[in-house]
Amino acid sequence: SQQGEEDPQALSIQEGENATMNCSYKTSINNLQWYRQNSGRGLVHLILIRSNEREKHSGRLRVTLDTSKKSSSLLITASRAADTASYFCATVRMNRDDKIIFGKGTRLHILP
Amino acid sequence: DAGVTQSPTHLIKTRGQQVTLRCSPISGHKSVSWYQQVLGQGPQFIFQYYEKEERGRGNFPDRFSARQFPNYSSELNVNALLLGDSALYLCASSLVLSEGTQYFGPGTRLLVL
Repeated sequence: SQQGEEDPQALSIQEGENATMNCSYKTSINNLQWYRQNSGRGLVHLILIRSNEREKHSGRLRVTLDTSKKSSSLLITASRAADTASYFCATVRMNRDDKIIFGKGTRLHILP
Repeated sequence: DAGVTQSPTHLIKTRGQQVTLRCSPISGHKSVSWYQQVLGQGPQFIFQYYEKEERGRGNFPDRFSARQFPNYSSELNVNALLLGDSALYLCASSLVLSEGTQYFGPGTRLLVL
C-alpha cells in the first residue's frame, strides 16, 4: 500500500504567503524526502530528513518529522511564482524491496 | 556535469508491442532506479539497480524488466504493452545506496494506443 499521503491535494496562495504541506505514512522509515516537480518533468530533490531528526531547514524550506505520529510537514516561506509545482514526499525503507514510496503529491499554485 | 539523461523523450506504441527505455546516470553514480508516473499520481517505484545488481523491485508484473550495464547506464524493458502502461517513466541515479537521495532525469513519456 502507498506509504506517503500528502494533504492538501491542491493549494492556492498569494505570492509572499507561506505554504504548508503535510505528509502521513504508515510504517517505520529510515528517512523521508521531499521533492518538487514542475509540469510533469523530472523531480528535483529538496530536502532529506532522517528518522532521528525532528526539524531541518534549507533556505526558505522547513521540514519537520514526527515519527510518533508518522507525519511530516513542508513549509515554504515567502512563496514566489516559481514555487508553483507539485510537491511529493517519499518515504525510504532500506531493508525492503520496495524501498522508496512516493505519495500522490500536493499541487501548489502561487497567485500573483 | 551532465545530469541524468533519458531517451527517447517521447514514444508512441501500440498494444502488444515491446519498448526499451534508456537512462544514463550522473557520472560517478552507481545506483539507478526506475519509476512509473501516471498522470495525477506520484511516481511508483519499479526497480533499483546498484553495481549492476537488482537491489529493489516494486509491485510490477514480470512484463517489466531492467538491467544495468558496466558503465552504470540502464535499460527498462516493457513487453506486451497495455493501454495502462501509458505514463511518464522516470529514471533516477544516486551516488550511494544507503540514503536514497536521488537525482531524476526528465523522463520518457510513453503513450500506448
